Amino acid sequence: DVKVTQSSRYLVKRTGEKVFLECVQDMDHENMFWYRQDPGLGLRLIYFSYDVKMKEKGDIPEGYSVSREKKERFSLILESASTNQTSMYLCASSLWENNQPQHFGDGTRLSIL
Amino acid sequence: GQNIDQPTEMTATEGAIVQINCTYQTSGFNGLFWYQQHAGEAPTFLSYNVLDGLEEKGRFSSFLSRSKGYSYLLLKELQMKDSASYLCAVRGHGSSNTGKLIFGQGTTLQVKP
Repeated sequence: DVKVTQSSRYLVKRTGEKVFLECVQDMDHENMFWYRQDPGLGLRLIYFSYDVKMKEKGDIPEGYSVSREKKERFSLILESASTNQTSMYLCASSLWENNQPQHFGDGTRLSIL
Repeated sequence: GQNIDQPTEMTATEGAIVQINCTYQTSGFNGLFWYQQHAGEAPTFLSYNVLDGLEEKGRFSSFLSRSKGYSYLLLKELQMKDSASYLCAVRGHGSSNTGKLIFGQGTTLQVKP
């Protein structure tokens, strides 16, 4: 079974802090993704990566950055956390072929106070 | 632009059949995915369609018409545990190697006894 592990299930941080969300997958997937999910807005793509050290902006990259130094690990960084970044963050990974689904981690519920 | 539309909410009765529709307008098409997401949990992969027609997998079936930009997910013999959100996602043009998906906002299905 594919396993996508997110470092924290719940996280509380303060405005202005630098926040790191970590994601690790154990299936040698090329592609990795970070989403946020908010009621009424669905899943929105923040950043994705299709190879080590490669990254591309998704639909809502402002206020975020990412790092992929190793194939299995994809980190999301909130440079200076703000209250509007309070959300559920979901990491996913997939193989590169068209018919391969994305596999999701359990999510991190992040609250910025 | 790229757009995926699904009904926001649906209600059905235990034991019945329900059809959840999805229409899409995307730049190219490289496959359509359906995911199930229970409240507070990660999305899990249900089905994949790339050719026109019906794909059956147990109680769940998914249909695709590429010419109409239309898909549906059919759930038979509904059970209470089928109460969840159902997400439609499309892999568009240029997404082949990146695995990037465009997600609809999801349909929340409530199954009543």
